[in-house]
Amino acid sequence: DAGITQSPRHKVTETGTPVTLRCHQTENHRYMYWYRQDPGHGLRLIHYSYGVKDTDKGEVSDGYSVSRSKTEDFLLTLESATSSQTSVYFCAISDSGTGISDTQYFGPGTRLTVL
Amino acid sequence: AQSVAQPEDQVNVAEGNPLTVKCTYSVSGNPYLFWYVQYPNRGLQFLLKYITGDNLVKGSYGFEAEFNKSQTSFHLKKPSALVSDSALYFCAVRDDGAGNMLTFGGGTRLMVKP
Repeated sequence: DAGITQSPRHKVTETGTPVTLRCHQTENHRYMYWYRQDPGHGLRLIHYSYGVKDTDKGEVSDGYSVSRSKTEDFLLTLESATSSQTSVYFCAISDSGTGISDTQYFGPGTRLTVL
Repeated sequence: AQSVAQPEDQVNVAEGNPLTVKCTYSVSGNPYLFWYVQYPNRGLQFLLKYITGDNLVKGSYGFEAEFNKSQTSFHLKKPSALVSDSALYFCAVRDDGAGNMLTFGGGTRLMVKP
């Protein structure tokens, strides 16, 4: 999985609790991404980062925040988890040259269940 | 806006037969197209991509894809399917005016039967 780890790999939590997912890369890639995967929707981009402390919103960013204090780590936080955030979360990385032709490489995923 | 459609939720094929997984796209600029495969409980693995040049792109594990600009399609193909090819396949597109935003299709499950 291209030098990408995600933790935890599985988590069950209750509605209203905060949750933080971690993505760690050993590739020194500039770009990092958080996606969620839901049946029938493919993968949808939540947030991405184009450098330390540089982040931007994706397609489904409501209810999520991110932080990147080091090149290798990208954190996704659900401030107050809801059942609609039950999903599988994937981190991805890419080494942007022009950005256009970059391939994104994915981590193993985190399965989050919000009860 | 960019979008991707994978019209088949599932494709069934017998081992040894050729397989095709369909993908059509919509972009306002030039498309950059990708195929990924996902095995159970794993992340997505990159198969191949089309950026420019030859319309037939060869990728990992014997897969190839044909870019057809007039039909706005990028179908994934393999001449002879293996049971081990059974997995979930995703097509994705990036518009050259959309920065790093990659849009995925809903996925197609490929089932290869012995």
